[in-house]
Amino acid sequence: QVQLQESGPGLVKPSETLSLTCTVSGDSIRNSYWSWIRQPPGKGLEWIGDIYFSRGTNYNPSLKSRITISVDTSKNQLSLKLSSVTAADTAVYHCARHTASHLDSWGQGTLVTVSS
Amino acid sequence: EIVLTQSPVTLSLSPGEGATLSCRASQSVSSSYLAWYQQKPGQAPRLLIYGASSRATGIPDRFSGSGSGTDFTLTISRLEPEDFAVYYCQEYGSSPLLSFGGGTKVEIK
Repeated sequence: QVQLQESGPGLVKPSETLSLTCTVSGDSIRNSYWSWIRQPPGKGLEWIGDIYFSRGTNYNPSLKSRITISVDTSKNQLSLKLSSVTAADTAVYHCARHTASHLDSWGQGTLVTVSS
Repeated sequence: EIVLTQSPVTLSLSPGEGATLSCRASQSVSSSYLAWYQQKPGQAPRLLIYGASSRATGIPDRFSGSGSGTDFTLTISRLEPEDFAVYYCQEYGSSPLLSFGGGTKVEIK
């Protein structure tokens, strides 16, 4: 059974770069697409982007200029970098396995607050 | 850009009743690319339905999905206490590549 665990700083200052890691167990990072999704407190879900290690990335156009998603196959991890953050980027950030057209396994998520 | 509109925003029902949740797309969606998720407070979303009507592994058969084109429905035949949650529909293949509806909260009446 695949398990995903997000990790990273819970507090980021405005204008800085948010960096998160998702550690995958029970499946190889090479086998699937992997997505990042975020959810502001009390609000809905927003897809950030995805990656397949040998085929590249897809990003949400609304965030594309600020996002970098990458994988580390040696550690079976994927990462997210979001630059120039503002309070609007405060959210719970989830990673998920992207199977065909849907997300079949999710990490529990990590809350990132943008504040000085 | 595709927009998924879910209705109602809130559904107040009693355990044992049936629930019908709607997801309407601003343009036609392939049935193969429509999914539904359940999310409880403090938890990650859980995949319920994919391909508009296929139940994910371990999902009880009281959950069913249907629809085509721009109109999709999630039906819960008989609400159990653990079914009170927020439900999201999701589409794949447009721009952005993956989009979610705004959610429907099913609350206890």
